[in-house]
Amino acid sequence: EPEVTQTPSHQVTQMGQEVILRCVPISNHLYFYWYRQILGQKVEFLVSFYNNEISEKSEIFDDQFSVERPDGSNFTLKIRSTKLEDSAMYFCASRAGVGDTEAFFGQGTRLTVV
Amino acid sequence: KQEVTQIPAALSVPEGENLVLNCSFTDSAIYNLQWFRQDPGKGLTSLLLIQSSQREQTSGRLNASLDKSSGRSTLYIAASQPGDSATYLCAVFNAGNNRKLIWGLGTSLAVNP
Repeated sequence: EPEVTQTPSHQVTQMGQEVILRCVPISNHLYFYWYRQILGQKVEFLVSFYNNEISEKSEIFDDQFSVERPDGSNFTLKIRSTKLEDSAMYFCASRAGVGDTEAFFGQGTRLTVV
Repeated sequence: KQEVTQIPAALSVPEGENLVLNCSFTDSAIYNLQWFRQDPGKGLTSLLLIQSSQREQTSGRLNASLDKSSGRSTLYIAASQPGDSATYLCAVFNAGNNRKLIWGLGTSLAVNP
């Protein structure tokens, strides 16, 4: 069964460092997303991406964040100059289309900023 | 602004019980609703998608219903098993903006042998 895969599963980084979280969405999907979940809090939307550009971003997704689809398979989230409060589980998701289509999620990357 | 609430926050039941998890949303103009399962420290597994034109969906021992007019969805789990222990999350796509899911905080379920 097709699935969304994320790497690494866990990343520890020092405050101020840059991290890149990687995702391989389901191959025929067109819409890609990043969400995050701070421990004990709700899952929050960060950004949606379609046709090689950002279609929507939340207030959280400031200049510190960027996304890229460098080739036909990978979808990355870059966090520049990480802060302690960036520590969270980051989830990648993909959908075949908008409308009544299911969102499929990866297993997440746990980011710990120390 | 859409708000999603899940009740109860935690639930502990003996094995074999049938149980109901509740999800409510403040704006009834949703596109669809998805139920997810999350094991501790793990990813989000999609359980059921209820499309806007549907009132319920079933998968095995799981049945989810949707009442858009009242802003409610329920997830019914029949004959619960210890392996069902997890957090169950519901999330909605708004009709006006179907690009992002709005999430509840989840119900943490423990099924005791």
